[in-house]
Amino acid sequence: GQNIDQPTEMTATEGAIVQINCTYQTSGFNGLFWYQQHAGEAPTFLSYNVLDGLEEKGRFSSFLSRSKGYSYLLLKELQMKDSASYLCAVFPGTASKLTFGTGTRLQVTL
Amino acid sequence: DGGITQSPKYLFRKEGQNVTLSCEQNLNHDAMYWYRQDPGQGLRLIYYSQIVNDFQKGDIAEGYSVSREKKESFPLTVTSAQKNPTAFYLCASNDQENTGELFFGEGSRLTVL
Repeated sequence: GQNIDQPTEMTATEGAIVQINCTYQTSGFNGLFWYQQHAGEAPTFLSYNVLDGLEEKGRFSSFLSRSKGYSYLLLKELQMKDSASYLCAVFPGTASKLTFGTGTRLQVTL
Repeated sequence: DGGITQSPKYLFRKEGQNVTLSCEQNLNHDAMYWYRQDPGQGLRLIYYSQIVNDFQKGDIAEGYSVSREKKESFPLTVTSAQKNPTAFYLCASNDQENTGELFFGEGSRLTVL
């Protein structure tokens, strides 16, 4: 079966750092995606991790530990526009469909 | 530019009516998907298709139907059998032989009056 867990909601202050965790148990693993989705809009791609370790892309970084079934998205220097939902999704492998977590709603406050 | 086009963006329907949401992609992707999203909720898979003339039910297929007559097109019909159709509908596609990254359309918001 497929199971992906993320916190439902998080709140953080503008300028701070926030870490959004994702744990997964899936039959097959090729890689893990993070998407950002603003209310009423389509999700947009943030990162894709295949190998263990941290990948940095500007203010956003994503970490993966395949042995622990664990990933996190790290957002630095938070801005109000970062208020959105963040979706974790696992790609089990070739000819498979992505499995999404329920998403984490992040609210950035002043 | 390559991408996915959904239409209409907003749609109103009376109870008992069927409506069809359009989804077209020019990314040459074999796989296409329809998701439903309710306010404050995650994505739930309705139907997906990995090849022309073939499709599979997702987690919440009841009350919906699809067709895949062309690689580029994957329309979704919301039938009168769908008890609570008001939602945000997202179409997506990907190349399952590569990274599997999903590319999304802008979404269609359906409201039942």
